[in-house]
Amino acid sequence: SQQGEEDPQALSIQEGENATMNCSYKTSINNLQWYRQNSGRGLVHLILIRSNEREKHSGRLRVTLDTSKKSSSLLITASRAADTASYFCATDVFGNEKLTFGTGTRLTIIP
Amino acid sequence: NAGVTQTPKFRVLKTGQSMTLLCAQDMNHEYMYWYRQDPGMGLRLIHYSVGEGTTAKGEVPDGYNVSRLKKQNFLLGLESAAPSQTSVYFCASSQTGLAATNEKLFFGSGTQLSVL
Repeated sequence: SQQGEEDPQALSIQEGENATMNCSYKTSINNLQWYRQNSGRGLVHLILIRSNEREKHSGRLRVTLDTSKKSSSLLITASRAADTASYFCATDVFGNEKLTFGTGTRLTIIP
Repeated sequence: NAGVTQTPKFRVLKTGQSMTLLCAQDMNHEYMYWYRQDPGMGLRLIHYSVGEGTTAKGEVPDGYNVSRLKKQNFLLGLESAAPSQTSVYFCASSQTGLAATNEKLFFGSGTQLSVL
């Protein structure tokens, strides 16, 4: 079964607004990562947050992790048309080499 | 620096035909992975390799075989294709395994496979 579930499945916002997407998972994790996938392309790594971290920033990206609720959120500030893509969370568990992906959020930025 | 390269990019097969998907990486990574992506299901791990000459099963290995004869190449084979194997296939690699901290995957651009 899927480890991660993203919410919402699809999101459309105006350029310049902030976009927030959420990820929930089922079991205790080692790390949680977020990836971006542009249409017809492979996935690109955005940011990784460890299970003992609560918040992490990278440029316009802010990721939070709440291990008590088994959830994470990805915030993209001041969105741009180029941010239009699908976003996936992915988790790994201790001692396991498998990275398990969620079902993704499709983000559309309206110019 | 090409990163992870997948060939072919598109392929159409008839049920029962066989084919091999090739993945090549030029980053000297130890770990390589094959995923399939289906609508509404995210990516699912088919097989992976932790080094040259090794392979291991992932979440959905049935109907697929893999080989890692050279460190830079990871081959995915379909011996007798079925319509259920219609999907987009992604190869990925990483320097070390996920058990290491801060490891991330580098992905190829995918192979779109249709089985009629």
